[in-house]
Amino acid sequence: TQLLEQSPQFLSIQEGENLTVYCNSSSVFSSLQWYRQEPGEGPVLLVTVVTGGEVKKLKRLTFQFGDARKDSSLHITAAQPGDTGLYLCAGQGLGSGNTGKLIFGQGTTLQVKP
Amino acid sequence: DTAVSQTPKYLVTQMGNDKSIKCEQNLGHDTMYWYKQDSKKFLKIMFSYNNKELIINETVPNRFSPKSPDKAHLNLHINSLELGDSAVYFCASSHAGRQGAGEQYFGPGTRLTVT
Repeated sequence: TQLLEQSPQFLSIQEGENLTVYCNSSSVFSSLQWYRQEPGEGPVLLVTVVTGGEVKKLKRLTFQFGDARKDSSLHITAAQPGDTGLYLCAGQGLGSGNTGKLIFGQGTTLQVKP
Repeated sequence: DTAVSQTPKYLVTQMGNDKSIKCEQNLGHDTMYWYKQDSKKFLKIMFSYNNKELIINETVPNRFSPKSPDKAHLNLHINSLELGDSAVYFCASSHAGRQGAGEQYFGPGTRLTVT
């Protein structure tokens, strides 16, 4: 069974601080996605990483896919209150073929205080 | 111009009842999904349909029966509701089959409360 361990589960920081969220597994994934979910809404895709070692930037957010495609990280620079939300990593297993099946991590609840 | 829509947004019902949740997507995707998000925010896939054909069924009790009348719709019918069915149910869609992709677009969720 493929699992994604996400850490930390909860993070409360002050505006302007930096933070990193980790997503780890013992399994290899063909791709890994990061979603952000706000209360009362569905998850919204932030980024997809496909190649081992790949780094993608989205304004103050930096996403990295591990060289072995088993882990990923999300780094936020100078966090703002608008970054508050639930961050979810999700991996597409090598054996998922064309099913599109995603395995989700447990999520990281981020609170950025002004 | 909603991409993935679900109805109803909230559903409160008593144990033993039967209820349905509807989902529609206007993105032209060929694959649709149902997820369950529990009270700890863990999101777990339940079903997936590709071109109206069931392709994922993740050990969900057979009280849950998905139905896909066409590629743009995937409904979820739940019989004999139990307290443990209380959760937020999300519908999603994607173009499955794209190597390394599978980006999924989620609906706003249906919060089901069984009393």
